[in-house]
Amino acid sequence: EAGVVQSPRYKIIEKKQPVAFWCNPISGHNTLYWYLQNLGQGPELLIRYENEEAVDDSQLPKDRFSAERLKGVDSTLKIQPAELGDSAVYLCASSPPRLAGGTGELFFGEGSRLTVL
Amino acid sequence: AQSVTQPDIHITVSEGASLELRCNYSYGATPYLFWYVQSPGQGLQLLLKYFSGDTLVQGIKGFEAEFKRSQSSFNLRKPSVHWSDAAEYFCAVAPYGNKLVFGAGTILRVKS
Repeated sequence: EAGVVQSPRYKIIEKKQPVAFWCNPISGHNTLYWYLQNLGQGPELLIRYENEEAVDDSQLPKDRFSAERLKGVDSTLKIQPAELGDSAVYLCASSPPRLAGGTGELFFGEGSRLTVL
Repeated sequence: AQSVTQPDIHITVSEGASLELRCNYSYGATPYLFWYVQSPGQGLQLLLKYFSGDTLVQGIKGFEAEFKRSQSSFNLRKPSVHWSDAAEYFCAVAPYGNKLVFGAGTILRVKS
């Protein structure tokens, strides 16, 4: 079974430039998450999707961050414009429906490491 | 405030020695509890989880964790550490549905 796939793995940009990250979840997983992981800290939830619907985006800085999951499968997280403080690892995760045996476990991708210069 | 606390930022143990990583949470009801491991440059991998039932749970790679309701703790243990266990370990709780809240992590160093 293929895991959660993220790209790019690494991205270096100058401040004020835009950047986008892509995530393809595990097949059949209807819940998709984007987490932000700063150096030396645990991941923090940015946004959670149930199918195409963003059900929890309270921690997403909406002035510069946006996300979409148009067909309820893969997702894109965008930052425009990027700031120095956005340098971090952006993790995507997915989980199966509870009715299908999901138990709250999240499956993570390897992350996209962003460096803003 | 609701939180997950991992009080040890770094821990160093000798190879072959036992290991215990601490985790405390502050939520009203017993949440789902997890331990994840993250090797450098990698994503998070689930070690074990607790939902209900037996409070001692076994996980992969020889790890186990014990849920203690009275102490709101879910400490991770391993009887004999291997050099390959060096990584960062995250305790996480899911108090509300599928939302997972992580602790700050504990970095494990293994000395030979």
